[in-house]
Amino acid sequence: GIQVEQSPPDLILQEGANSTLRCNFSDSVNNLQWFHQNPWGQLINLFYIPSGTKQNGRLSATTVATERYSLLYISSSQTTDSGVYFCAVAYNNNDMRFGAGTRLTVKP
Amino acid sequence: DVKVTQSSRYLVKRTGEKVFLECVQDMDHENMFWYRQDPGLGLRLIYFSYDVKMKEKGDIPEGYSVSREKKERFSLILESASTNQTSMYLCASSLTGQAEAFFGQGTRLTVV
Repeated sequence: GIQVEQSPPDLILQEGANSTLRCNFSDSVNNLQWFHQNPWGQLINLFYIPSGTKQNGRLSATTVATERYSLLYISSSQTTDSGVYFCAVAYNNNDMRFGAGTRLTVKP
Repeated sequence: DVKVTQSSRYLVKRTGEKVFLECVQDMDHENMFWYRQDPGLGLRLIYFSYDVKMKEKGDIPEGYSVSREKKERFSLILESASTNQTSMYLCASSLTGQAEAFFGQGTRLTVV
């Protein structure tokens, strides 16, 4: 099956710093999503981005489908950005698989 | 807004019990998914369904079964709960296999 790799596994930042999270995938995909898991375990949708670039406030994402990777940018990080960030890919039309996640800690 | 609702936030069951985890979505989505999440292992797919009464095994179906009798509801069944099934269970739905997926709030199941 498809392999989804996220890096780095852990990231510690000072408040105000910028960061880039990466997601590599091993095969062609039908879509790609980024999620943030809050402290209560809920997965919050950040971006639905099978290709191209999107921005939402301090967050932006870019997917280069032909090169099989996606990047999530967080600018001017805040303590509330802490948590685990997952990318998930859909392939074979009906299946959705996750990377292992990046745990982000933003210190005040 | 899409709403995916899981029946319980926290659940404690005894070893050997039959356990039902329920998930309901209100957006007429075709696809529904069940995942479990364990520390260090990320989200692993248990089962998914792409239509009523249709199901496909994911990566870790052993010890689980599912039911989808109506489009809006996807149930995960632990036939005989065991302590190694203690985990966070997450349900998701999407309009199609290529569309954006949305998650429920999760159920933390403890089997004692």
